[in-house]
Amino acid sequence: DQQVKQNSPSLSVQEGRISILNCDYTNSMFDYFLWYKKYPAEGPTFLISISSIKDKNEDGRFTVFLNKSAKHLSLHIVPSQPGDSAVYFCAASAGGTSYGKLTFGQGTILTVHP
Amino acid sequence: DVKVTQSSRYLVKRTGEKVFLECVQDMDHENMFWYRQDPGLGLRLIYFSYDVKMKEKGDIPEGYSVSREKKERFSLILESASTNQTSMYLCASSGSGTTNEKLFFGSGTQLSVL
Repeated sequence: DQQVKQNSPSLSVQEGRISILNCDYTNSMFDYFLWYKKYPAEGPTFLISISSIKDKNEDGRFTVFLNKSAKHLSLHIVPSQPGDSAVYFCAASAGGTSYGKLTFGQGTILTVHP
Repeated sequence: DVKVTQSSRYLVKRTGEKVFLECVQDMDHENMFWYRQDPGLGLRLIYFSYDVKMKEKGDIPEGYSVSREKKERFSLILESASTNQTSMYLCASSGSGTTNEKLFFGSGTQLSVL
């Protein structure tokens, strides 16, 4: 039972354009959401997060939007750069005493073409 | 910078062998995790530990055990390796409190069981 789903296995965009990566979740107990980026031969690295009390969080070129009623979040990258080409994982936490235990989606491979 | 070091980048083992995967972190983090990454399935939590000698099962603990005798070291043990345990194994750590969802990952161990 996949509680966090990324339904697009891959996304291809042109340099300078917007990249939008989507994520859906089913567990109503999730209250904190994160995006991680993974390059080949490296471990995932934290990118940006959002608490369920917010609907938007920005960090430079990266913005995460949360729609709690739809149980949906998205990551916007503007403008996209070739160095953004990586696998992006959405993750969720139930907070409380979860000890940082995260549930991850399947990942979306982003390719940004020069 | 937080460093999470996994002892091997690649491992090849035979079916039935006992396999040890070692992970060391240098930031005095309380929480440590073992995930496996498989294509189309994303990252799935095997076990985690929130203190020395404490361990909790994740989503897919069958066939695995863990050991945490020292705060900085978290070992994953495959008691009798099987071909379906061929995977990329990722260790991660996080601190306590409000940042415990921000995981720091090692580079991964690609395990092949023949």
